[in-house]
Amino acid sequence: GAGVSQSPSNKVTEKGKDVELRCDPISGHTALYWYRQSLGQGLEFLIYFQGNSAPDKSGLPSDRFSAERTGGSVSTLTIQRTQQEDSAVYLCASTGDRGQPQHFGDGTRLSIL
Amino acid sequence: QKEVEQDPGPLSVPEGAIVSLNCTYSNSAFQYFMWYRQYSRKGPELLMYTYSSGNKEDGRFTAQVDKSSKYISLFIRDSQPSDSATYLCAVHGSSNTGKLIFGQGTTLQVKP
Repeated sequence: GAGVSQSPSNKVTEKGKDVELRCDPISGHTALYWYRQSLGQGLEFLIYFQGNSAPDKSGLPSDRFSAERTGGSVSTLTIQRTQQEDSAVYLCASTGDRGQPQHFGDGTRLSIL
Repeated sequence: QKEVEQDPGPLSVPEGAIVSLNCTYSNSAFQYFMWYRQYSRKGPELLMYTYSSGNKEDGRFTAQVDKSSKYISLFIRDSQPSDSATYLCAVHGSSNTGKLIFGQGTTLQVKP
């Protein structure tokens, strides 16, 4: 597709379960970012990928959060042993160069019961 | 203190009004400035991207950057009901990674 694609668009799960969120960036974009948007906290950076490497993971809130990127394209954000405070919208963005504007997907709305 | 401050509003204006949205930032090293528009249940959509101080115009939208005051603005002329959305200012928080630091977002409602 032409834009950043994220799946699923909505995810409801029980506390303690693991979840995987997927991001398909714009074709050819080498830089990929994950952000989290929650009420009261706004939109916060989680992790940055350049190719398949993640030189900046400084925004990951705990070791329950991890992410990988394969083939310089698709990225997966995994949250283990989910907690209620993990409920948020998880947004992915990509760009052809880290100095250029980032283009966002519509996010995955995660609800932890 | 947050690195980027933005009044969350909400801001309500009549159709046709000029809208002024503003942000301040704390770090003079920030060099790239952006405005995104976000509709409900959608991802942020880039509106304006600027580097230097001064004005940048695109249709009904004008972005203004004042680096001496660490102040960025977005003006919307002839506002339309379709402009009703949340507007987010953002800066590049790191030249090495390009990660963005966002303001809290201002919710705008344009009433017909």
